[in-house]
Amino acid sequence: EVLLVESGGGLVKPGESLRLSCAASGFSFNSYSMHWVRQAPGKGLDWVSSIIGSRNYMYFADSVRGRFTISRDNSKNTLYLQMDSLKADDTAVYYCVRGLVAGEDYWGQGTLVTVSS
Amino acid sequence: DIQMTQSPSSLSASVGDRVTITCRASQGIRNDLGWYQQKPGKAPKRLIYAASSLQSGVPSRFSGSGSGTEFTFTINSLQPEDFATYYCLQHNSYPWTFGQGTKVEVK
Repeated sequence: EVLLVESGGGLVKPGESLRLSCAASGFSFNSYSMHWVRQAPGKGLDWVSSIIGSRNYMYFADSVRGRFTISRDNSKNTLYLQMDSLKADDTAVYYCVRGLVAGEDYWGQGTLVTVSS
Repeated sequence: DIQMTQSPSSLSASVGDRVTITCRASQGIRNDLGWYQQKPGKAPKRLIYAASSLQSGVPSRFSGSGSGTEFTFTINSLQPEDFATYYCLQHNSYPWTFGQGTKVEVK
């Protein structure tokens, strides 16, 4: 069974940092591109970042480029999202996703990040 | 960046109705588009990929069409479990972009 479990969310102040983790199991993690998608409270879906292919090409939404970093540790079957210089607009549930656009899609349960003073 | 304009933002319908949602891309995206369903408190789930291909296990009352800049998502004979919010996502070029969403509510 494919499982994606996010962790690391919480309440932080503007300007602070947070690192999200996504623990993957039930599949060959190093064979798949992975993605982060977020959803602000009561709002729509917002693609955040992807890490693609064996060379780990990384892509970011304009709103987070330069502040967020995506990475993976294939030895730990874990995807990360390092979020720096957080803003109130970054407040959202963050989902880890496998197969966002191809194959069968699997989503984690999400982890809530709240940025507030 | 490619903008996705989804309409309507909400609609009211009854069980058995046919429902149509549209996404328009600000530039051509071939058929690099998916449609996603999200129910309250749940993660989304893709229903349609490559604009018109039905994801495995998804009921055939769901369908998609279009290519280039105009895309349509249709639910034939709306069922009680279909009341949800639907999103399109273009993945033709980065940054990928979702439509604003369409909430399908009970009439």
